[in-house]
Amino acid sequence: AQTVTQSQPEMSVQEAETVTLSCTYDTSESDYYLFWYKQPPSRQMILVIRQEAYKQQNATENRFSVNFQKAAKSFSLKISDSQLGDAAMYFCAYRSGHYNQGGKLIFGQGTELSVKP
Amino acid sequence: EAQVTQNPRYLITVTGKKLTVTCSQNMNHEYMSWYRQDPGLGLRQIYYSMNVEVTDKGDVPEGYKVSRKEKRNFPLILESPSPNQTSLYFCASSLLIPGYGYTFGSGTRLTVV
Repeated sequence: AQTVTQSQPEMSVQEAETVTLSCTYDTSESDYYLFWYKQPPSRQMILVIRQEAYKQQNATENRFSVNFQKAAKSFSLKISDSQLGDAAMYFCAYRSGHYNQGGKLIFGQGTELSVKP
Repeated sequence: EAQVTQNPRYLITVTGKKLTVTCSQNMNHEYMSWYRQDPGLGLRQIYYSMNVEVTDKGDVPEGYKVSRKEKRNFPLILESPSPNQTSLYFCASSLLIPGYGYTFGSGTRLTVV
C-alpha cells in the first residue's frame, strides 16, 4: 500500500523569505501523480501544484515550485517570496496512475505554515 | 460555477441520533469520495464511489454509510453517531482520470456529544 509522510508538523517563515515543506512517499508503482493542497483557515482545500511521475521537469506555479526526486521518493514544496496569505495547512497527496486503483487520493499528515510579518 | 456543495457546514448532535451530511457536485464527475480530517492524521478516506450504484469502503468506514443513487449526489450517513466520529468531514469529486485533481466541498465540522 502507498503511504505519504510529512515529517514537519509546523513550519514558520518570515514574510518575503523562502520556505520548503518536505514530503516523502512510498510506492511500488511507476505511474502516479503527486499533489500539494493548501488549506487556509477557511477550511477550503485548494490545489496548489501537481507533478506527474513520468516527467523529470519539476512543476512550477508562480511562487510555488516542487523538487521531485523520484528515486528518493521525495516531493518537497518550495514557496518563494512568502506572503501572509500563504499561512495555511499544507497537505501532500498521492494518486495512482492505474485506473484499477480507482481514484483514491492518499494524504500526508499535513504541515502547518505560519508567516511572520 | 463548478463546485461541490456540502451541507451543513457545522453540526452538533448527540450520541445515537442519526444524521446525514449531503454532498452534490455539478461537474458530471464519476468519482466521489468522503474523507475525515483529524489533527496529526491528515485526511483519511471513509467511502468512495466510482459511479452510480457503485460504492466501496475506504480506510475508515466503520460507523458510516453512503449511497450513490444519482451521479451528482453522494450523502454520508451516520446511523448512530459516537463521540469518536467528531471530526472535520470533506466530500470530494473527480473525473476518473488518474492525474486529475479533486474538487472539495467546504467541509462539515461535526461534533458528537
